[in-house]
Amino acid sequence: AQSVTQLDSHVSVSEGTPVLLRCNYSSSYSPSLFWYVQHPNKGLQLLLKYTSAATLVKGINGFEAEFKKSETSFHLTKPSAHMSDAAEYFCVVRAGGSYIPTFGRGTSLIVHP
Amino acid sequence: NAGVTQTPKFQVLKTGQSMTLQCAQDMNHNSMYWYRQDPGMGLRLIYYSASEGTTDKGEVPNGYNVSRLNKREFSLRLESAAPSQTSVYFCASSATNTGELFFGEGSRLTVL
Repeated sequence: AQSVTQLDSHVSVSEGTPVLLRCNYSSSYSPSLFWYVQHPNKGLQLLLKYTSAATLVKGINGFEAEFKKSETSFHLTKPSAHMSDAAEYFCVVRAGGSYIPTFGRGTSLIVHP
Repeated sequence: NAGVTQTPKFQVLKTGQSMTLQCAQDMNHNSMYWYRQDPGMGLRLIYYSASEGTTDKGEVPNGYNVSRLNKREFSLRLESAAPSQTSVYFCASSATNTGELFFGEGSRLTVL
């Protein structure tokens, strides 16, 4: 069985300040983990993925995430928010060998000028 | 490269009407998925197809049917639409060994 919990439904930051979007997961087997971004009225785009290589994963647009097995977490960070980062972010887990990715409920990132 | 293409992008139905959402991918992926997205619920899996010739139920299959027509195409059918099926539907595909999903732009369905 696998599940994912995004700990915040909304996160509000000022432009230029750091971003932290939190994700905890549960998986019976070695998981693959992903972060996706969805801008308004658009499809989902992959930001980054962890598939058992380096635990610190760098993605597009300056985002990165760290896989922490002991804490079952995969939090998404960015040093400095831009207005264009305002979007919905989804954490996704896929247990090793599973065809079925499981989505978190999403975190809405709001960026203030 | 078109990636994943969904049609139609918008549709309004009356209760009881039927319709089919079409999805095609040109990346030679084995696995294809249909999700629905509702506010505050994330994406919920309706049906998936691990490979050509196979389909399986996801989390919310009731009221839907699917057909994996060939490796490229995976359609979703609503036989008798209900207002509870008002949602945004996303088709996705993935290469089996990575799990990374590639999404279409979505189909916004309203059932009156």
